[in-house]
Amino acid sequence: EAGVVQSPRYKIIEKKQPVAFWCNPISGHNTLYWYLQNLGQGPELLIRYENEEAVDDSQLPKDRFSAERLKGVDSTLKIQPAELGDSAVYLCASSWTADTEAFFGQGTRLTVV
Amino acid sequence: AQSVTQPDIHITVSEGASLELRCNYSYGATPYLFWYVQSPGQGLQLLLKYFSGDTLVQGIKGFEAEFKRSQSSFNLRKPSVHWSDAAEYFCAVGDVDYKLSFGAGTTVTVRA
Repeated sequence: EAGVVQSPRYKIIEKKQPVAFWCNPISGHNTLYWYLQNLGQGPELLIRYENEEAVDDSQLPKDRFSAERLKGVDSTLKIQPAELGDSAVYLCASSWTADTEAFFGQGTRLTVV
Repeated sequence: AQSVTQPDIHITVSEGASLELRCNYSYGATPYLFWYVQSPGQGLQLLLKYFSGDTLVQGIKGFEAEFKRSQSSFNLRKPSVHWSDAAEYFCAVGDVDYKLSFGAGTTVTVRA
């Protein structure tokens, strides 16, 4: 069974440009998470989905970040416009439900120049 | 709000030696506690978790952790490390909604 798949693995963009990350969770997993991991730090939750509903987006900077999970499967995370401080690794994770083990993807490393 | 402190940023250990990684948490109720490992270029992998019951928890790859409520600690141990254990280790605490708060991580280097 495939794990959580994220693409792209690496992305370099200029500041003020838009960028999007894609996540395909493990089949059947209802809960999907997006985390931000800054260099030398632990992951921080950006948003959690239960099926297609965003149930916790309190840490998502909504002025420039947006996310969607159409049909409760794949998800995209978008930044528009990107800032230098957005350079980080963006991790996607999924689980059967919120109270079961979350499996993480390899992440997308974003560099904003 | 819950928080996690991992006091050691970097630990170097010889192959075959024992390893202990420290984790202290702050949480008002009984915590859900986790240890994850992240190898370079990889996602996080769950090593073990504590929800309730026996305070000594066994995990994968020969790791174990002990929950000590009196010390607000959940330290990770391995009796004999292998070169493949070189990675970054994260402790996390979860609340009743299973929202995880991670520590800053401890990088483990294994020398031959």
